[in-house]
Amino acid sequence: SQTIHQWPATLVQPVGSPLSLECTVEGTSNPNLYWYRQAAGRGLQLLFYSVGIGQISSEVPQNLSASRPQDRQFILSSKKLLLSDSGFYLCAWSVKLAGSEQYFGPGTRLTVT
Amino acid sequence: RKEVEQDPGPFNVPEGATVAFNCTYSNSASQSFFWYRQDCRKEPKLLMSVYSSGNEDGRFTAQLNRASQYISLLIRDSKLSDSATYLCVVRGSGGYQKVTFGTGTKLQVIP
Repeated sequence: SQTIHQWPATLVQPVGSPLSLECTVEGTSNPNLYWYRQAAGRGLQLLFYSVGIGQISSEVPQNLSASRPQDRQFILSSKKLLLSDSGFYLCAWSVKLAGSEQYFGPGTRLTVT
Repeated sequence: RKEVEQDPGPFNVPEGATVAFNCTYSNSASQSFFWYRQDCRKEPKLLMSVYSSGNEDGRFTAQLNRASQYISLLIRDSKLSDSATYLCVVRGSGGYQKVTFGTGTKLQVIP
C-alpha cells in the first residue's frame, strides 16, 4: 500500500531563517505531487504541484520554492521566512489518472516567530 | 464568487440525527468531486468520491447535481466520531485538472 511521509511534524522558526520541508511517498511510482498550506481557520491553498522529476508549477507567487529531486521526493523551501508563512503545510500525491483523488501526508505545523 | 463554497457551520446535531451538507461550485467544466474529512489539527482524509448517479457508503450518501452545480453529503445516524470538518473538493478538466478545496463545514455531534 502507499504511504506518504512528511517531516518534521512541527517547527518553530524565527523570521528571516531558511526552511526546508520534506515529503516522500512509498508504494507508488511517478505520482503527481502537491504542496498545500492551510492557515489557521482557512481553507487549503495549493502552493506547488509536480508531474515529474524537476517539473514544478507554482500556483501562488511567494517567497517559497519547491523541488523534486527524485520521483517520490518533494521538498518545500524558503530562503527567508516571513511571519505570514506560518501555517499547516501538507504534501499530497495522486496517480496520473483523470479524476483521481489526492492523499495527504500528516503535515508540518510551522510557526514563524 | 468563490470557486467552491460551503456553509462553514458549525452544525451541532444530537447523536443519531441525520445531517446534510451542500457545496456549490462555479466551474461548469468540473469533472470530479470528492468529500474529505479533516479532524482538528490533522490532515484531510478522503471520505468518498461523488459520482453522477449518486453513491452510498454505509451511513454516508453523496449526490451530484450538475445542472445546479452542487454536491451534497448526507450522514445518517450521526456518531460522536463523525465530529469533524467536511471539505468539498472539485477537480477540473484538462491536463493538470486543478483541484479546488472548499473551506469546509464543521460538524459537532452532541451526546
